[in-house]
Amino acid sequence: AQKVTQAQTEISVVEKEDVTLDCVYETRDTTYYLFWYKQPPSGELVFLIRRNSFDEQNEISGRYSWNFQKSTSSFNFTITASQVVDSAVYFCALSEAQYNFNKFYFGSGTKLNVKP
Amino acid sequence: DARVTQTPRHKVTEMGQEVTMRCQPILGHNTVFWYRQTMMQGLELLAYFRNRAPLDDSGMPKDRFSAEMPDATLATLKIQPSEPRDSAVYFCASGPGTGTDTQYFGPGTRLTVL
Repeated sequence: AQKVTQAQTEISVVEKEDVTLDCVYETRDTTYYLFWYKQPPSGELVFLIRRNSFDEQNEISGRYSWNFQKSTSSFNFTITASQVVDSAVYFCALSEAQYNFNKFYFGSGTKLNVKP
Repeated sequence: DARVTQTPRHKVTEMGQEVTMRCQPILGHNTVFWYRQTMMQGLELLAYFRNRAPLDDSGMPKDRFSAEMPDATLATLKIQPSEPRDSAVYFCASGPGTGTDTQYFGPGTRLTVL
């Protein structure tokens, strides 16, 4: 079974629109960590955020914000006022503290196209 | 700004040849991961090391792939013999190894096997 699901394969928006990337995860562990990575056209995977399972506070970093809801097992990522430079593939990942130490489960990624 | 480095960045080779990819983890990181990325399979974990010891290489085809850490500053991934289906981008990542830590990725090696 897929531990991390990113149902949106590809999203296209026009610059300045807000966009939310969905991430749903599955785990039996009570302690776990969630991550988002960005993969721009250059190919490198860039770390964006790490959130532990005990911290459900939403986080905002500039135009980026993350909404973590344990009740729905979701960790969604919103880009406000999108820009062309936000065009990339975004990956959500899960790491379980107990069962697979330090192993990441990546989602299949969501490709975001921001058009001028 | 500490980064994971990988060499070569691009490699084109013919089927049957040996391929060696190298990774230098961030200084002080004691966990190293090898991933393969393809359009069809996405990101697949091939192997990971903690304090230079292999913890999990179940994702790696054992007959042709091998991964080692000769020392704390070098990780290698070898394919012998290479096949066209090995064409992919291979990423190395490292982490501090204190738990479910952030993994920091290198730029990847794009391998094409003809």
